[in-house]
Amino acid sequence: GENVEQHPSTLSVQEGDSAVIKCTYSDSASNYFPWYKQELGKGPQLIIDIRSNVGEKKDQRIAVTLNKTAKHFSLHITETQPEDSAVYFCAATIGGADGLTFGKGTHLIIQP
Amino acid sequence: NAGVTQTPKFRVLKTGQSMTLLCAQDMNHEYMYWYRQDPGMGLRLIHYSVGEGTTAKGEVPDGYNVSRLKKQNFLLGLESAAPSQTSVYFCASSSTDPLPQHFGDGTRLSIL
Repeated sequence: GENVEQHPSTLSVQEGDSAVIKCTYSDSASNYFPWYKQELGKGPQLIIDIRSNVGEKKDQRIAVTLNKTAKHFSLHITETQPEDSAVYFCAATIGGADGLTFGKGTHLIIQP
Repeated sequence: NAGVTQTPKFRVLKTGQSMTLLCAQDMNHEYMYWYRQDPGMGLRLIHYSVGEGTTAKGEVPDGYNVSRLKKQNFLLGLESAAPSQTSVYFCASSSTDPLPQHFGDGTRLSIL
């Protein structure tokens, strides 16, 4: 089945700096790649997504890039703020089926 | 706008007991999903439904059953609870697209 690897597991950055989280996937049939933010005690919240026919997508301080050849995609957060502190999950569609396969998450810590 | 609502929010069971988790969505979504989240494991798909009256197995279906008698509700049942089923359970739904998925805030289940 689909396998999604996510790195790093923990990322600490200074407020105002940029943060980058990377994921790789195994199934070449995967065609949808969302990123979720999860705060303590809450469910995952979609922050940005990208489909396989697009290489990059940006929404204010957040951007996602996709390299289909290498089977990896990345989340970029610029000008980080304290409220960006959370656990971030990448995911990919399970090729030919419904549902998502998730990475194991990255705990992002924004240092004041 | 309630979105995806899960009940109960917390529950403690004894080994061998049974219970049903309820997920309700008010967005008229066709697709509904049940995931479990364990520390360091990300989210894993248990079962899902592509429409009223349908169900399908996900990555970790053993020990669980589901039903989708009404379009807005998706029930997850544990017939004979085991300590290995201690987890946080998340329900999600999506439109006919079938993505992106919208998550509830979870049910925290402990089995003693």
